[in-house]
Amino acid sequence: EAQVTQNPRYLITVTGKKLTVTCSQNMNHEYMSWYRQDPGLGLRQIYYSMNVEVTDKGDVPEGYKVSRKEKRNFPLILESPSPNQTSLYFCASSSVLGNEQYFGPGTRLTVT
Amino acid sequence: LAKTTQPISMDSYEGQEVNITCSHNNIATNDYITWYQQFPSQGPRFIIQGYKTKVTNEVASLFIPADRKSSTLSLPRVSLSDTAVYYCLVGDLPDSWGKLQFGAGTQVVVTP
Repeated sequence: EAQVTQNPRYLITVTGKKLTVTCSQNMNHEYMSWYRQDPGLGLRQIYYSMNVEVTDKGDVPEGYKVSRKEKRNFPLILESPSPNQTSLYFCASSSVLGNEQYFGPGTRLTVT
Repeated sequence: LAKTTQPISMDSYEGQEVNITCSHNNIATNDYITWYQQFPSQGPRFIIQGYKTKVTNEVASLFIPADRKSSTLSLPRVSLSDTAVYYCLVGDLPDSWGKLQFGAGTQVVVTP
């Protein structure tokens, strides 16, 4: 089944403790992206990747890192999480020739 | 990228047709119009995409006038399960894929 998976789905952590949210897709898509969603602010893009080893900042990249060492994986790294990064995070992927973004199930992160 | 404007919310009854209009006055020649649907705590799901005139699939229709400065997503005979947030996106795919902005979307509430 074609899908985007994220892990973990739920995470509660403390300020400053490094964490990684994994994202993996099995559709051989070139494009991958991370979004965060907060009440009243809609979906905002954090980082995106056009292909392996190619990443670029989205609208809200501060406090986040990403890497794209393999085509299927696009982890989101929070080196020193802060409470303002408490949010619902979505990973998405798309084919270079496709018009549709496929979204993962989301990761709800709480930073205390 | 063209900025989009949608109504914040719309209410409807089961069985009625729901039409959501999106304004995109600065749409560029190469831009496509894409609509997504999102249920609470789930990732957005692609509904439909078009460039001009009318596009129809099994779940919706998309009407685009000749000047392309707006578009209307039409959901025929809605049911309670169509209660969701609907997003209109405008961009030159795939070149601007990484920069697509979702905005706040339109909350559609369907009641019995």
